[in-house]
Amino acid sequence: GAVVSQHPSRVICKSGTSVKIECRSLDFQATTMFWYRQFPKQSLMLMATSNEGSKATYEQGVEKDKFLINHASLTLSTLTVTSAHPEDSSFYICSARLGRSTDTQYFGPGTRLTVL
Amino acid sequence: GQNIDQPTEMTATEGAIVQINCTYQTSGFNGLFWYQQHAGEAPTFLSYNVLDGLEEKGRFSSFLSRSKGYSYLLLKELQMKDSASYLCARRMGAGSYQLTFGKGTKLSVIP
Repeated sequence: GAVVSQHPSRVICKSGTSVKIECRSLDFQATTMFWYRQFPKQSLMLMATSNEGSKATYEQGVEKDKFLINHASLTLSTLTVTSAHPEDSSFYICSARLGRSTDTQYFGPGTRLTVL
Repeated sequence: GQNIDQPTEMTATEGAIVQINCTYQTSGFNGLFWYQQHAGEAPTFLSYNVLDGLEEKGRFSSFLSRSKGYSYLLLKELQMKDSASYLCARRMGAGSYQLTFGKGTKLSVIP
């Protein structure tokens, strides 16, 4: 159990375009999902916390107008990178918590974004 | 910050035992995780410690000392497929489910 999927797994886009990444919990309802970014040889950096039915909470230094997060249902959160630039190229990973009493986060397979 | 420190790289021989250490700031501590991450893939959950002591799960064990701000991941009977990065992560604070990750320890298992 506790399977999280992400789509797409890889995307290449032109500078200035927007890219939407989906994160789904397949066999459980996730009240909270998290979005991370990982640059090569670096650790995961938390970008934002996404709660179903409410606004996302962004970490310091992450532009909320550039990285739009929507958590419309208990099984789906989306991250939209708006007006992407080459410096946004990274590995974007989502995770989901099972529920209030469970601390473990389960990660999706990640999305490799390359902005040309 | 959370100041999570772990060695950058380690090498061990197939069949051997390896211990990966992690130290962290103790203020506001409320749980420590270990994840395995193969190159280009997302992390997979290995263990969670919130109380002092050793948690054993098959070939993998994790230890926690809250007073020392110290944890280790022990891998026994190493296999080639264990070559990966091992990430130490702690919850950001009491009541928080957000995680702060260390930079990871890249383990290379050699024949």
